[in-house]
Amino acid sequence: AQTVTQSQPEMSVQEAETVTLSCTYDTSESNYYLFWYKQPPSRQMILVIRQEAYKQQNATENRFSVNFQKAAKSFSLKISDSQLGDTAMYFCAFMKPLRTSGSRLTFGEGTQLTVNP
Amino acid sequence: DGGITQSPKYLFRKEGQNVTLSCEQNLNHDAMYWYRQDPGQGLRLIYYSQIVNDFQKGDIAEGYSVSREKKESFPLTVTSAQKNPTAFYLCASIARGGVEGASYNEQFFGPGTRLTVL
Repeated sequence: AQTVTQSQPEMSVQEAETVTLSCTYDTSESNYYLFWYKQPPSRQMILVIRQEAYKQQNATENRFSVNFQKAAKSFSLKISDSQLGDTAMYFCAFMKPLRTSGSRLTFGEGTQLTVNP
Repeated sequence: DGGITQSPKYLFRKEGQNVTLSCEQNLNHDAMYWYRQDPGQGLRLIYYSQIVNDFQKGDIAEGYSVSREKKESFPLTVTSAQKNPTAFYLCASIARGGVEGASYNEQFFGPGTRLTVL
């Protein structure tokens, strides 16, 4: 079974600064997907960024980027130029490819990020 | 517009009653999932279904039941056997796409249902 660990329950950052959220995972699979989701106070889950394990290049989406270290099973999220609207709970998640037996999304416990003005 | 709908947004139940949470998607996704979220915690998988008329238990299936008679619908019933049903419930469906031969998976979430047992 896969596990996802987020070791930082809470973090805070000043507006316009950069913050990095940590995530490690454990799996014996070679092909899989990793995600960061954002859950603001509205509780709607919003996909922030996605990484395919077979791609060596780190994914980027505007101010969001990841540092994917497959051998170390590490998948951190960097938020640059933090904005007040980034305040939310952030979840790291792991998934085997769809149609693989037991394909499902496994979440970490989350990191509450607060961006201060 | 395509998306996932969950109803109702808030639901109140008396102890000992069964209640059904609705989840509908018009995205033509094959796989659908139900998660439970407790305050300040992550999401735990209750049940999932990869095709119509088939579903599997997740990590916390006890006290819950599902059906998947149609591709677009995956209702969750919280039975009286669920000892602590007060929680936020999220439904999700998954897409499978391909770009230049590569494939990726992406999950879309509904807005959730807040269930409170009185």
